[in-house]
Amino acid sequence: NAGVMQNPRHLVRRRGQEARLRCSPMKGHSHVYWYRQLPEEGLKFMVYLQKENIIDESGMPKERFSAEFPKEGPSILRIQQVVRGDSAAYFCASSADEGNEQYFGPGTRLTVT
Amino acid sequence: LAKTTQPISMDSYEGQEVNITCSHNNIATNDYITWYQQFPSQGPRFIIQGYKTKVTNEVASLFIPADRKSSTLSLPRVSLSDTAVYYCLGKGWTGGYNKLIFGAGTRLAVHP
Repeated sequence: NAGVMQNPRHLVRRRGQEARLRCSPMKGHSHVYWYRQLPEEGLKFMVYLQKENIIDESGMPKERFSAEFPKEGPSILRIQQVVRGDSAAYFCASSADEGNEQYFGPGTRLTVT
Repeated sequence: LAKTTQPISMDSYEGQEVNITCSHNNIATNDYITWYQQFPSQGPRFIIQGYKTKVTNEVASLFIPADRKSSTLSLPRVSLSDTAVYYCLGKGWTGGYNKLIFGAGTRLAVHP
């Protein structure tokens, strides 16, 4: 039973480009969470999605960031016009329902040059 | 959700027992205390969770006193592979789901 998959594992973008991070939840999980981690810091919650719905986006920056979890396919975290401050590790987690444990993926390390 | 405070770092040696204490003075009645472990370049991994008294699994024990203002994660006989960051979280039901709030964590270094 495959765990949470994230790709790419490493992503390098120049300032002003777009970054697309993908997350495939564990089989049978329909709840996805995105977190951002800066070096030497803990994870910061960004957004919680269920299939086709954004439930809580209180941790998402108001501009340039968006997330979706379509009916088919992976969840996507999209960062437009990236800046150096967006460089971080982005982790996705999934759960079977809103009360169950969250299982984390290996993360995508975004570097903005 | 509870704001948690834990030591920034700890050092230990192989074979020793390690106790990491976390303070959560404003924990809500419905909040659980949850601990995660994170190795470098990996996502966090659930270790243990409790509400009060003592919980034990194959990896660790968790002690929560009656007032629930603190908790202690106990790792018996640590090995080098236990070197990681350990996060104490208050997990509470908010907005219709269990929300996790991570702090900075405790960096545990196990030495030979």
